[in-house]
Amino acid sequence: DIQMTQSPSLLSASVGDRVTINCKASQNINKYLNWYQQKLGEAPKLLIYNTNNLQTGIPSRFSGSGSGTDYTLTISSLQPEDFGTYFCFQHNSWPLTFGSGTKLEIK
Amino acid sequence: QVQLKETGPDLVQLTQTLSITCTVSGFSLTTYNVHWVRQPPGKGLEWMGAMWNGGGTDYNSAFKSRLSISRDTSKSQVFLKMNSLQTDDTAKYFCARHGPIPSFDYWGQGVMVTVSS
Repeated sequence: DIQMTQSPSLLSASVGDRVTINCKASQNINKYLNWYQQKLGEAPKLLIYNTNNLQTGIPSRFSGSGSGTDYTLTISSLQPEDFGTYFCFQHNSWPLTFGSGTKLEIK
Repeated sequence: QVQLKETGPDLVQLTQTLSITCTVSGFSLTTYNVHWVRQPPGKGLEWMGAMWNGGGTDYNSAFKSRLSISRDTSKSQVFLKMNSLQTDDTAKYFCARHGPIPSFDYWGQGVMVTVSS
């Protein structure tokens, strides 16, 4: 199975900050990497698919990059509504696997 | 509009079988795939398996032969059945639509299932 390691596990940042969350795969996942945001008690929400494609309706302050085994989610200017837990997800190989999550707190 | 809704028990006894139904609307099960994902309390997400639009299935081998996914297209329903439940199967179980983009674009609200001894 492909292991997805996210860092940091906890992130505290201020409104307006530029925030980056990292995801490292245990092997090449050929850019088949998606990012989700989850708020407490809710289902995950798709932000980015295939590394750098913004899902419809997601603000442009969210962006993704990466290749091979290393991927990044960037929030260019953090907004209060961006709190939550962020998960990366690989769909290159079976079984599909998620990262362990990054909890983003707003200072 | 696209909706998915999971229904199932709140509580299942140890070693018993879990049955959850995902009822979808706003799209056809013969056009889109539906996956199952679970999340233990306070933990991360685990992909369980998929019902493909053509009727085939795929499973996470972590569930070995305990897991079965099926569907009734006439009722727009996808079913998850998992036997020999243990306490670490306590989780919120989600169904999610896959496609047309390569991801889970719509999710149900999830059903929280507790396995009790």
